[in-house]
Amino acid sequence: TQLLEQSPQFLSIQEGENLTVYCNSSSVFSSLQWYRQEPGEGPVLLVTVVTGGEVKKLKRLTFQFGDARKDSSLHITAAQPGDTGLYLCAVIIQGAQKLVFGQGTRLTINP
Amino acid sequence: KAGVTQTPRYLIKTRGQQVTLSCSPISGHRSVSWYQQTPGQGLQFLFEYFSETQRNKGNFPGRFSGRQFSNSRSEMNVSTLELGDSALYLCASSRDFDEKLFFGSGTQLSVL
Repeated sequence: TQLLEQSPQFLSIQEGENLTVYCNSSSVFSSLQWYRQEPGEGPVLLVTVVTGGEVKKLKRLTFQFGDARKDSSLHITAAQPGDTGLYLCAVIIQGAQKLVFGQGTRLTINP
Repeated sequence: KAGVTQTPRYLIKTRGQQVTLSCSPISGHRSVSWYQQTPGQGLQFLFEYFSETQRNKGNFPGRFSGRQFSNSRSEMNVSTLELGDSALYLCASSRDFDEKLFFGSGTQLSVL
């Protein structure tokens, strides 16, 4: 079983619509990261959430860390074609110097 | 400030061959980690190096190895290639591991 479960796996919507993707686990984490990966490129860090219940905004993207620090969501308002990509959540495994990633949500925004 | 540079970008090999991939981190970054990305398994941790020392290794067979040089550049080697080794290999650097990671564009390896 995956440490981090992301849903949905695939999402295709029209430009201008809103969407939410999720990252869930049964484990508690001290922090959680969200990355976006575009075709032919490596992942780029979007945000790190640290405190339970924390909400961070990055332009039209809103990230929330669950109160129990087991899950997180990413909400995009008025999606644009430039938002297309693979969205990955990840956690740092303390003491192991490694990131564990979810399987990702592949998002396509159609003009 | 130059980003993380991985070479080559694309590589085609045949089963049984070996391959060496290179990663040049951002200047001043001493931690380099490697990940394998496949459609089925997603991103999987391979290993992490800091100041020429491997601090952790993922659950991959011994055919996968790596090293880091005194200038923080890193290489990974895969010997006796198998079809299942076809993947995007990503390198990431940071000043230390728990700081922000910067990924390179990856090396796309195809094993025929």
